[in-house]
Amino acid sequence: EELLVESGGGLVKPGGSLRLSCAASGFSFSDYSMIWVRQAPGKGLQWISSISPKTGDTYYGDSVKGRFTISRDNTKNSLYLQMNSLRAEDTAVYFCARDKGEGYDALDIWGQGTVVTVSS
Amino acid sequence: SYELSQPPSVSVSPGQTATITCSGDKLGDKFVSWYQQKPGQSPVLVVYQDTQRPSGIPERFSGSTSGITATLTIGGTQALDEAEYYCQTWDTNIDWVFGGGTKLTVL
Repeated sequence: EELLVESGGGLVKPGGSLRLSCAASGFSFSDYSMIWVRQAPGKGLQWISSISPKTGDTYYGDSVKGRFTISRDNTKNSLYLQMNSLRAEDTAVYFCARDKGEGYDALDIWGQGTVVTVSS
Repeated sequence: SYELSQPPSVSVSPGQTATITCSGDKLGDKFVSWYQQKPGQSPVLVVYQDTQRPSGIPERFSGSTSGITATLTIGGTQALDEAEYYCQTWDTNIDWVFGGGTKLTVL
């Protein structure tokens, strides 16, 4: 079964840092672009960041550029999101998702999400 | 910034057809995907590449496009289809963009 499992969420004070992880299994992780999407309480889905499969090219949304860093370790089938200078508005459920690839521009596998709460 | 517009809510009676629209500038030039999200759960891909259905998605879910509008149609809507639905597109200039979501109520 193709699976993504996020971890690392929690409660952090404004200005603090957190590192999220996403463990992949059941598919060839190194063949796929991966992305992070978040969902603030009661709100819609927001793309945060993407990373290409082999070269590790990275892309960021304006709201997190300069504060968040996406990375991956293909030897460990893992995706990461380093979040620094956290703000209250970063409070959300964070999902990792797989880009289906082949130019379909769709996210076909999602993790269960991990909750990040930024509060003093 | 690029935006996709969806109606906030749609209501349908059981067994009837539900249609959810998604509009955006030059949307016809891009692929559109649709996701279903039930409360407390992760999104599930129900349509990709405008009209394609992933394996395991019931045939009552279908997608179409016309001009700048993409449409998700649910034929013979069931109570279990009640959920939030999001459209999504991508291109090299805008990256991944989601619509604001449509709450489908089956009553």
